[in-house]
Amino acid sequence: DIQMTQSPSSLSASVGDRVTITCRASQSISSYLNWYQQKPGKAPKLLIYAASSLQSGVPSRFSGSGSGTDFTLTISSLQPEDFATYYCQQSYSTSSSFGQGTKVEIK
Amino acid sequence: QLQLQESGPGLVKPSETLSLTCTVSGGSISSSSYYWGWIRQPPGKGLEWIGSIYYSGSTYYNPSLKSRVTISVDTSKNQFSLKLSSVTAADTAVYYCARRVKTAGIYYYYYYMDVWGKGTTVTVSS
Repeated sequence: DIQMTQSPSSLSASVGDRVTITCRASQSISSYLNWYQQKPGKAPKLLIYAASSLQSGVPSRFSGSGSGTDFTLTISSLQPEDFATYYCQQSYSTSSSFGQGTKVEIK
Repeated sequence: QLQLQESGPGLVKPSETLSLTCTVSGGSISSSSYYWGWIRQPPGKGLEWIGSIYYSGSTYYNPSLKSRVTISVDTSKNQFSLKLSSVTAADTAVYYCARRVKTAGIYYYYYYMDVWGKGTTVTVSS
């Protein structure tokens, strides 16, 4: 099984800050990495697929990078609606798996 | 616009079988570009991928749940279903169904879940 580890588990930031979340895979997964945003009581929302492709309708302040085992989600200028939990997910193996999540809180 | 809706009992007794159905509306479940999946989230915890199915019936399961999980599809009703046997309190969670897109990459197919149901809470308790 491929294990996905996110860091940090939580962070506090202010509106306008640049935020970076890291996801590391236990083995190389090429660029088969997706990012989701989840707000309390809501279903996850796809932000980024294939490591760096922005899903239609997602603001351009979100970006993804990386390949192999190390990946990054960046929010260039944090907005009030971005306070949420973010998950990475690998789709390299037939059995998918998620990271444990990173909660972005208001500073 | 594609919509997914989970349905099923909100309370299941320990050792029994959890059964949920996801109804797809606004699109066909028989499209060759999509798989259909189940994901769950225990209270206060992260997301766990359960498995997915293709309209032809091909399935992929989380190895940790494989012995207890069955996912099936009914193309005539545009639905797919989840059965999880021998449940315990650890199976208490919000269960989501989702569309899993299959899109061609350079050497392999990329998969991602772009449309989700709202989720349904299942509690395992006597």
